[in-house]
Amino acid sequence: SQQGEEDPQALSIQEGENATMNCSYKTSINNLQWYRQNSGRGLVHLILIRSNEREKHSGRLRVTLDTSKKSSSLLITASRAADTASYFCATDTGRRALTFGSGTRLQVQP
Amino acid sequence: DAGVIQSPRHEVTEMGQEVTLRCKPISGHDYLFWYRQTMMRGLELLIYFNNNVPIDDSGMPEDRFSAKMPNASFSTLKIQPSEPRDSAVYFCASSLEGWTEAFFGQGTRLTVV
Repeated sequence: SQQGEEDPQALSIQEGENATMNCSYKTSINNLQWYRQNSGRGLVHLILIRSNEREKHSGRLRVTLDTSKKSSSLLITASRAADTASYFCATDTGRRALTFGSGTRLQVQP
Repeated sequence: DAGVIQSPRHEVTEMGQEVTLRCKPISGHDYLFWYRQTMMRGLELLIYFNNNVPIDDSGMPEDRFSAKMPNASFSTLKIQPSEPRDSAVYFCASSLEGWTEAFFGQGTRLTVV
């Protein structure tokens, strides 16, 4: 079964709007990461947040982590058509390998 | 570094045939992972290596699947015999530590007919 589940499964917004994706997980984690996958390509790392951190920023990305609720959110501000992709959360549970969620498909309309 | 390199990019084979997927990790990365991606099951971890040693192969679906890492710069994932349900995109990834940023290859799209 998936450790992480993203919500929503699909999201369609207009260019310039903000996109928020959520990830829930089941077991305790050491860190949580977000990845992007463009159609037909491999996954690309976006950001890593450790279990003792609550918020992290990287450019137009903002990630929050609530370990009490076992959830994380990824906010992309001022979205662009180039942000169209699938976004995955991945957790490190101490297994020394990442477990990926089911992903959110983001479509940004120009 | 050119990143993680996988070959072939696409593979079409007939049921029952042997399939070998190849991966060259980023130099200096101690961890190598094989993932499989399908619409139904998402991204599944099949097996991972640390310093060329298989650590966890609990995700390997059946005995038809095997993986090797003879040296730090090369790994293979073999399916024998292949079945239509093995059709998927297979990704190789590497990282410095198991919990750090993983770098993915472009994947091999396998179609078994």
